Amino acid sequence: KNQVEQSPQSLIILEGKNCTLQCNYTVSPFSNLRWYKQDTGRGPVSLTIMTFSENTKSNGRYTATLDADTKQSSLHITASQLSDSASYICVVSDGGATNKLIFGTGTLLAVQP
Amino acid sequence: DAGVIQSPRHEVTEMGQEVTLRCKPISGHDYLFWYRQTMMRGLELLIYFNNNVPIDDSGMPEDRFSAKMPNASFSTLKIQPSEPRDSAVYFCASSPGGAHQPQHFGDGTRLSIL
Repeated sequence: KNQVEQSPQSLIILEGKNCTLQCNYTVSPFSNLRWYKQDTGRGPVSLTIMTFSENTKSNGRYTATLDADTKQSSLHITASQLSDSASYICVVSDGGATNKLIFGTGTLLAVQP
Repeated sequence: DAGVIQSPRHEVTEMGQEVTLRCKPISGHDYLFWYRQTMMRGLELLIYFNNNVPIDDSGMPEDRFSAKMPNASFSTLKIQPSEPRDSAVYFCASSPGGAHQPQHFGDGTRLSIL
């Protein structure tokens, strides 16, 4: 069964600190892996998209990594800010006929002053 | 650029009533997606369209749900009759063609069925 699992479920860090969120997937076939940020009351916003051949991609203070062999990804946030408080969702595309996205349940990050 | 626009933002109605959610995708995007988000199940794809044609509706929970896309700039998701278990946040998203294109989400409609 195609699944995307994220850890931790929730995380609290102090402003200015770094953190890393994890994503494991069992989706096959694999097309790409995406990280989305969802602020409270808003729709998800795309942070990064990585294909099979990419093992790292950055978007400002956000850096995503992908290990397609172990089917793991991480999202590293550097020098966290209060505005980073959000849910971070890992999403994998199966690359099938419908290019369906399989969503993780997200990691809820709270950055405290 | 205007993003994906959804209306209404909030809807509260009684069980049995018809509910219509609306979406205006980003101009030029060929794909339109409807999702439902709940605490228990996260984001789930309900249906998606390519060039206004429904491609995959396997996520539509039951016959009470229907979706249409009469033109490239408008789509509706209808629930009739509504039930309390339909309470959720419904998102519309659009994307250009291509397997590696990001989906752009609207801010959702928070639906409460009493």
